[in-house]
Amino acid sequence: AQSVTQLGSHVSVSEGALVLLRCNYSSSVPPYLFWYVQYPNQGLQLLLKYTTGATLVKGINGFEAEFKKSETSFHLTKPSAHMSDAAEYFCAVSPPNTGNQFYFGTGTSLTVIP
Amino acid sequence: GAVVSQHPSWVICKSGTSVKIECRSLDFQATTMFWYRQFPKQSLMLMATSNEGSKATYEQGVEKDKFLINHASLTLSTLTVTSAHPEDSSFYICSAINTGGTGELFFGEGSRLTVL
Repeated sequence: AQSVTQLGSHVSVSEGALVLLRCNYSSSVPPYLFWYVQYPNQGLQLLLKYTTGATLVKGINGFEAEFKKSETSFHLTKPSAHMSDAAEYFCAVSPPNTGNQFYFGTGTSLTVIP
Repeated sequence: GAVVSQHPSWVICKSGTSVKIECRSLDFQATTMFWYRQFPKQSLMLMATSNEGSKATYEQGVEKDKFLINHASLTLSTLTVTSAHPEDSSFYICSAINTGGTGELFFGEGSRLTVL
């Protein structure tokens, strides 16, 4: 069975501070891993993804995430938060060979304090 | 890049009526699309997998007679909420796979349904 855990449903950071959003997964085989961002009343936008290869993945808007198999984690980071980063962030996993079934975490709401 | 579009983006209807939501892949063909439901401040819940030319596959607990899905072409899937009630009010999001390209999953902008 697949599951995705996002620790912290709400995270607040000051503008310019480090952003760290946590994601852990439970899977019998290493899945494909994704981070999506959702702004109010909008769909999801892909930030970055890991499928194979380099475990440190760089995405849009200065975000990056590192796949750590030993920790079953895929935490999202950004060195310096910007006001426009305030949004809902979802971690998702897609087990290989499942026809693109996606399992989403419960989401983390990021607030950026000026 | 690839774009998935949903229409309408917001719909208000009376209880007992049926509402159709369209999901279109604008610049790629999608043999498979997915429909999700999202309650306020919650994550996305997969409702069903829409397959072009065949019946949709529904997740456990989702009423197939309530949420009718039709994947009539390689660029269009529709979700019809039949005899809508206030508890059906939610944000509905579709996604589509660019199978002919990168295999990436793209999401629509979402459709907010409010049932009075």
